[in-house]
Amino acid sequence: KAGVTQTPRYLIKTRGQQVTLSCSPISGHRSVSWYQQTPGQGLQFLFEYFSETQRNKGNFPGRFSGRQFSNSRSEMNVSTLELGDSALYLCASGYQQGYEQYFGPGTRLTVT
Amino acid sequence: AQRVTQPEKLLSVFKGAPVELKCNYSYSGSPELFWYVQYSRQRLQLLLRHISRESIKGFTADLNKGETSFHLKKPFAQEEDSAMYYCALKGTGFQKLVFGTGTRLLVSP
Repeated sequence: KAGVTQTPRYLIKTRGQQVTLSCSPISGHRSVSWYQQTPGQGLQFLFEYFSETQRNKGNFPGRFSGRQFSNSRSEMNVSTLELGDSALYLCASGYQQGYEQYFGPGTRLTVT
Repeated sequence: AQRVTQPEKLLSVFKGAPVELKCNYSYSGSPELFWYVQYSRQRLQLLLRHISRESIKGFTADLNKGETSFHLKKPFAQEEDSAMYYCALKGTGFQKLVFGTGTRLLVSP
């Protein structure tokens, strides 16, 4: 089985811009979660989607949003980028909520 | 609120020495605990989960509800164990997965 894929792998944006990151889960997986990983804060949960519905949300401002499509692929969007949004964004998929999660390689976002 | 604490940022041991990576949690219900590992240039992956009671790559972890701990142990460390280790907690139902800040294990020859 192919693993979780994330595109793009690297991204450089300017403050104030917006960005969209994409995640393709493992075939058959319906749950997709997003995390932000930074040296200072570690892994922080952003949101979780299951069957196109957001089931859980972390403590991030409304500038962070996401969605899941009928094929379980997911996107997350960050608007009005700030320098502090520079991070590795990880996506993880699972067969169902609460099941083992498989992580993608991440998208490295740098905001200048 | 769910919280996971990993007090050590770095743990450095010699090959063959015992290893214990500490993890304490805060949760009022019955949690599900996990250890994830990230080797250099590899993806984050599940190492073990407390409900399966397995030993993976020689590592074990016992959930101690009295001390709210889920420490990861290995009797004899190997150089290939060098990696970043994250303890994670999931609450009952469809709760989110909360990670600790991670401990970097460095095993020297």
